[in-house]
Amino acid sequence: DGGITQSPKYLFRKEGQNVTLSCEQNLNHDAMYWYRQDPGQGLRLIYYSQIVNDFQKGDIAEGYSVSREKKESFPLTVTSAQKNPTAFYLCASSRLNQPQHFGDGTRLSIL
Amino acid sequence: QKEVEQNSGPLSVPEGAIASLNCTYSDRVSQSFFWYRQYSGKSPELIMSIYSNGDKEDGRFTAQLNKASQYVSLLIRDSQPSDSATYLCAEAPGGSQGNLIFGKGTKLSVKP
Repeated sequence: DGGITQSPKYLFRKEGQNVTLSCEQNLNHDAMYWYRQDPGQGLRLIYYSQIVNDFQKGDIAEGYSVSREKKESFPLTVTSAQKNPTAFYLCASSRLNQPQHFGDGTRLSIL
Repeated sequence: QKEVEQNSGPLSVPEGAIASLNCTYSDRVSQSFFWYRQYSGKSPELIMSIYSNGDKEDGRFTAQLNKASQYVSLLIRDSQPSDSATYLCAEAPGGSQGNLIFGKGTKLSVKP
């Protein structure tokens, strides 16, 4: 099946630990995005990538890092510098200038 | 600061009624607008996109865009309990290269 796969579904982070959220798509989409959603809030853009080996900061990039070594993959690392990481993380992809479609999300909590 | 504003609700309508969801945006040069449905605990699902002034219909859903008033709306006819969800409005601001700005969403409750 074609789609966007995020893993894990739930993730727990210990103090001072970096964690990596996976996002893979087999839709042949050029663009990929990472959003954060807090309870009762809209989605806020963390990072996005239009092509392989290139990515841009969104509105709330501090404390996060990404890579785009393959067209299909856009992992997000939540570093220890992100002091309030508890949120619902959503990965999306799209053809350029087309609507975005979302994966099922990863819920990150602090232990 | 480019913004998308939505009434957070909850908006409660009886089954079979028309639900009307509204959204305003601040960027006058925005070209593309989207409505996503998000069930509790799930990820957003695209239900409508609209790019030009006027109405666009898809089944029970109608999106309406008025660029002069910077206003976009979603009408859901014959509302069903399964339509109960949070509806997110999003815009692609001019020159955004596809990046979206989301509103905080309107929670819709359809009562049987």
